[in-house]
Amino acid sequence: SQKIEQNSEALNIQEGKTATLTCNYTNYSPAYLQWYRQDPGRGPVFLLLIRENEKEKRKERLKVTFDTTLKQSLFHITASQPADSATYLCALDGDTGRRALTFGSGTRLQVQP
Amino acid sequence: DGGITQSPKYLFRKEGQNVTLSCEQNLNHDAMYWYRQDPGQGLRLIYYSQIVNDFQKGDIAEGYSVSREKKESFPLTVTSAQKNPTAFYLCASSIVALAGGHNEQFFGPGTRLTVL
Repeated sequence: SQKIEQNSEALNIQEGKTATLTCNYTNYSPAYLQWYRQDPGRGPVFLLLIRENEKEKRKERLKVTFDTTLKQSLFHITASQPADSATYLCALDGDTGRRALTFGSGTRLQVQP
Repeated sequence: DGGITQSPKYLFRKEGQNVTLSCEQNLNHDAMYWYRQDPGQGLRLIYYSQIVNDFQKGDIAEGYSVSREKKESFPLTVTSAQKNPTAFYLCASSIVALAGGHNEQFFGPGTRLTVL
């Protein structure tokens, strides 16, 4: 069955540095990959969507890459700020015939001032 | 002010009781979803609906039921058959993608259910 892996350990970085989060997947070839931000006790908020034929997508300080050979997506936040502290979830479009996303468990990012 | 709402924010229930969680959206989205999130875990899909009067089971549908009588509403009932119902429940909606693929999902604020 398809499996999505995100680093379960929290990522701690200093303000101003670039944060890089990883999303690996197996047993699947998604056409789309999405990234969401979730703050404690709240619903996730959509950040970026990247398609399988796109290598990279940018939005302000955010950058996402999608390597279908490595079966991996990297999510970068440049010039990180304490306000970027949150849990970041990656999500893949579902198995063929199931029109729903499958989410990873998320990685918690803590940006220290 | 468009969005997706869930009520109540906190819900307590006695073991053996059924409880219904509300989810309403005014975004005119065709698709709606229910997820369960446990501490330190990702979102697990319970049920989803692409159109009114139709819905499909997700990965953990046992012990849950849904209805989709109106486009705006997708209530979730947690039945007494659900063995471990204490969790954070999230509802979401999206535009139905044409020819496969998915658009972004918009999430509600969630309902935290605690079974006493």
